[in-house]
Amino acid sequence: AQSVTQPDIHITVSEGASLELRCNYSYGATPYLFWYVQSPGQGLQLLLKYFSGDTLVQGIKGFEAEFKRSQSSFNLRKPSVHWSDAAEYFCAVLLSGNTGKLIFGQGTTLQVKP
Amino acid sequence: DTEVTQTPKHLVMGMTNKKSLKCEQHMGHRAMYWYKQKAKKPPELMFVYSYEKLSINESVPSRFSPECPNSSLLNLHLHALQPEDSALYLCASSQDWGVNEQFFGPGTRLTVL
Repeated sequence: AQSVTQPDIHITVSEGASLELRCNYSYGATPYLFWYVQSPGQGLQLLLKYFSGDTLVQGIKGFEAEFKRSQSSFNLRKPSVHWSDAAEYFCAVLLSGNTGKLIFGQGTTLQVKP
Repeated sequence: DTEVTQTPKHLVMGMTNKKSLKCEQHMGHRAMYWYKQKAKKPPELMFVYSYEKLSINESVPSRFSPECPNSSLLNLHLHALQPEDSALYLCASSQDWGVNEQFFGPGTRLTVL
């Protein structure tokens, strides 16, 4: 069955430090991968996506992610975290075919220390 | 216009009430979605509309009734809900059904008393 695993439920980093959020997927076909961010009580904002091509993708707000097929991973990175990055981060895979169904990981809560 | 709007932001209803949630987008997207998100959980897909036709119903109870009057508007009609239906209801849209990114609205926070 298709699934997405975010191993870290909660991460705390200091402002200005680098960040890496992990995401592993289990999916037999070509994965279409996304990272979304959600501030408390808000909707989801798309940070970046991977469909094909260059395995290092750039997103908004200074985020990037690297697709590694051999490791079934799509980790999110940011070189220097800002206090405003504190939020919930979701990794998701889109099922292929005409489903439109996003399978989300359980999410990682990012806390930023001043 | 590059956003999905949802009204109301908050809704409190009793178990015998009938209410509706509204979602609107003006990006020319032809697929629209309803998701339910419980606290501290990821969103779960409820319904998918493609070209104003219901394409996917994820075995959602009939007390939730979706409607797509036109390509820009998506409604979710609520009737005889249970307290466990309290959640954040998110609407999303995408260019088309299939391999496209989905853009989410801010959600409606629903409380069922």
